[in-house]
Amino acid sequence: GENVEQHPSTLSVQEGDSAVIKCTYSDSASNYFPWYKQELGKGPQLIIDIRSNVGEKKDQRIAVTLNKTAKHFSLHITETQPEDSAVYFCAEEGGSYIPTFGRGTSLIVHP
Amino acid sequence: DAGVTQSPTHLIKTRGQQVTLRCSPKSGHDTVSWYQQALGQGPQFIFQYYEEEERQRGNFPDRFSGHQFPNYSSELNVNALLLGDSALYLCASSLGHRTDTQYFGPGTRLTVL
Repeated sequence: GENVEQHPSTLSVQEGDSAVIKCTYSDSASNYFPWYKQELGKGPQLIIDIRSNVGEKKDQRIAVTLNKTAKHFSLHITETQPEDSAVYFCAEEGGSYIPTFGRGTSLIVHP
Repeated sequence: DAGVTQSPTHLIKTRGQQVTLRCSPKSGHDTVSWYQQALGQGPQFIFQYYEEEERQRGNFPDRFSGHQFPNYSSELNVNALLLGDSALYLCASSLGHRTDTQYFGPGTRLTVL
């Protein structure tokens, strides 16, 4: 991986709303795209991932979509809850098996 | 299962000093990777250890070195500390190079004064 752009840097939503975080990458060889959640005082935790041969993956309230042609992927969280508040990181990985992380999105869910 | 553990949790050093950080991997994992996370940034890969050898290295100077022991635990050493080395240092363990099995520890917060 070379470069990952992540937007927005901060996202504030009301409980029950949906949240979308978007990332773009530049390396055509990238084939694995994980998403991490980092709570205060903790290390990042893998929450969902997608590989390049799949366009969409869903796990309960979270989903990830991938557009390889446009080189962008997104995290979707539905029915947000206060405990979803955290910093979310996208990452991409190519043949080196070393992930390159985005700069993170601070998600704030207001009760 | 205790997961990935790191010690110490916090550390304060002065410029020019040397520091050693420690990591115990999740049970069953054989690979340890180290990351540096500056404030407000995503983690940056430092290096990865497998079978007691450095397998891959990111864009970090030789002041950063490491070691992996036969029990798969690992150390990160940083020499000649600079103010810019202040960061959260994360250890992650995995099965081989499989990122989808990677678990992160809580990190060591290093402050260089």
